[in-house]
Amino acid sequence: DTAVSQTPKYLVTQMGNDKSIKCEQNLGHDTMYWYKQDSKKFLKIMFSYNNKELIINETVPNRFSPKSPDKAHLNLHINSLELGDSAVYFCASSQEGISYTFGSGTRLTVV
Amino acid sequence: AQKVTQAQTEISVVEKEDVTLDCVYETRDTTYYLFWYKQPPSGELVFLIRRNSFDEQNEISGRYSWNFQKSTSSFNFTITASQVVDSAVYFCALSEGAGGGNKLTFGTGTQLKVEL
Repeated sequence: DTAVSQTPKYLVTQMGNDKSIKCEQNLGHDTMYWYKQDSKKFLKIMFSYNNKELIINETVPNRFSPKSPDKAHLNLHINSLELGDSAVYFCASSQEGISYTFGSGTRLTVV
Repeated sequence: AQKVTQAQTEISVVEKEDVTLDCVYETRDTTYYLFWYKQPPSGELVFLIRRNSFDEQNEISGRYSWNFQKSTSSFNFTITASQVVDSAVYFCALSEGAGGGNKLTFGTGTQLKVEL
């Protein structure tokens, strides 16, 4: 029973398309996150939501729009995909910022 | 602002050697948490350890050990008798305080290669 699950695992799409990545956690955590890992392996936070409320938005282009329908779900929608969006996107959840659990990642390739 | 520095980009060792991965952090908070994660070639992030700022005791788990020193703002990770399966990217990370507005800030990672 996966604690943080994100789908799809792989996503290959053409420039200009719109795509979504879904994330769900069954840990009862209050906070969820999206992280981006670039080709140099650097992990950087994009967004965090606490109980469906946007808390952190780290200078991410507004083509990226997170949506949290409830505290167990945080989806990421990306409009007009660009080559530079190619990366691995990790969803995570946390309770009180003390422990963090990560999903297995979504490898997005824009061609 | 919180910051984590892993100065070693890549380390190569021969199996059975001991290796230490360095981590230096910056924070203005008195309450914070330090983490190490392993990312094997398969890509998932594997949690290794969490330490809170009030607990400076060193920790040992099998071949892994961690040295937390507040005086030097360091949280170093040592693998004893390294094995090929230890080959991975290792990330040190910091979370300030407690509460819903927190985030995990990662260092740039250290690629460890263990060869036969």
